[in-house]
Amino acid sequence: EDKVVQSPLSLVVHEGDTVTLNCSYEVTNFRSLLWYKQEKKAPTFLFMLTSSGIEKKSGRLSSILDKKELFSILNITATQTGDSAVYLCAVEKIGGSQGNLIFGKGTKLSVKP
Amino acid sequence: SAVISQKPSRDICQRGTSLTIQCQVDSQVTMMFWYRQQPGQSLTLIATANQGSEATYESGFVIDKFPISRPNLTFSTLTVSNMSPEDSSIYLCSSYGGVTDTQYFGPGTRLTVL
Repeated sequence: EDKVVQSPLSLVVHEGDTVTLNCSYEVTNFRSLLWYKQEKKAPTFLFMLTSSGIEKKSGRLSSILDKKELFSILNITATQTGDSAVYLCAVEKIGGSQGNLIFGKGTKLSVKP
Repeated sequence: SAVISQKPSRDICQRGTSLTIQCQVDSQVTMMFWYRQQPGQSLTLIATANQGSEATYESGFVIDKFPISRPNLTFSTLTVSNMSPEDSSIYLCSSYGGVTDTQYFGPGTRLTVL
């Protein structure tokens, strides 16, 4: 059975800290891995990763995929209170309904002032 | 990126009634999906909304409970029928394809059933 596992489930840090969020997966016919940030209701897109070893970067956030070991990490440096959110990892499969994502349970990040 | 709007943004409904949620995308997209996120849970796919034909439902979800329409490439509706408190959830539509190769989400509809 396909699954996506995120760790830790929750994390509390102070402003300025660096955090690493983990996502491992066991999915047949892997196509891509996506990271989303969810505040309040809607997930907002962060990164899509399809190739191993190529870091995607956006400001203080970066992510990388290891397709051999079947995991991805999301790094946030110099955290700010506005980074507090649930971070969702999702895997997209080849075939079936394109865009059908299998989500992990998320990591709830709380950044204290 | 695709801009997706949903309405209503929230509603409080009585048991046994039905609610229709609308999803509008600002550009033509290949795929539209409906997800549910129950309190404290991650997102679960309800169905794929197919343009001009019946939606494709995931295991555990049926058309009688969650009828879906998609009359064109930019619009879809999800109806939650004969609601019970267990249907209290956030309902999200998402789109894929068109100008982007990434799945984007609408702002969500927070439904509370009393």
